[in-house]
Amino acid sequence: EVQLVQSGAEVKKPGESLKISCKSSGYNFTSYWIGWVRQMPGKGLEWMGIIYPGDSDTRYSPSFQGQVTMSADKSINTAYLQWSSLKASDAAIYYCARPAIAAAAYNWFDTWGQGTLVTVSS
Amino acid sequence: SYELTQPPSVSVSPGQTASITCSGDKLGHKYVCWYQQKPGQSPVLVIYQDTKRPSGIPERFSGSNSGNTATLTISGTQAMDEADYYCQAWDSTTYVFGTGTKVTVL
Repeated sequence: EVQLVQSGAEVKKPGESLKISCKSSGYNFTSYWIGWVRQMPGKGLEWMGIIYPGDSDTRYSPSFQGQVTMSADKSINTAYLQWSSLKASDAAIYYCARPAIAAAAYNWFDTWGQGTLVTVSS
Repeated sequence: SYELTQPPSVSVSPGQTASITCSGDKLGHKYVCWYQQKPGQSPVLVIYQDTKRPSGIPERFSGSNSGNTATLTISGTQAMDEADYYCQAWDSTTYVFGTGTKVTVL
């Protein structure tokens, strides 16, 4: 069974750094891209970017370029999303999701993680 | 940037048909998929490649896409279908999600 299991909820202060994770199982981690999607409180889904763990090729949405960093560790089948300095406006649920087609960056997400709630408050 | 517009809300009586639209420039030239998201849960894919249903998705969910509009249709709507629905498309460099539609089963 294909699964994406995300790290737990985080409470941080503005200016702090954060790295959340998305552990994959049930498929060849290096053969599928992994995307990240933000959902702010009471709002819709926003695509942030996507990474190919096979070679770490990364594509960012223009809205998130320079605001976050995506990475992946092939040895433990885990993708990461990190911030160097959080802002209050980063408070949201962050989902990782796997596109359905192997090696294709852009198609539809058939598997989603359970989401990681990030709270940023002084 | 490319935008997909959905009505904020749709109301439907149990057993009736709900239609949710997704509008974008020349959207019929792209593939569209649809996600269902219930409160406190992750999105679930219900339609992909305009008309296809993933395994486990009930037959009452169907999709179409032509011109500038894609449509998700829920036939014989049940109380369990009450949720937010998002369309999504992509081009060579970007994923785009629709603005989302809250379906209420009255």
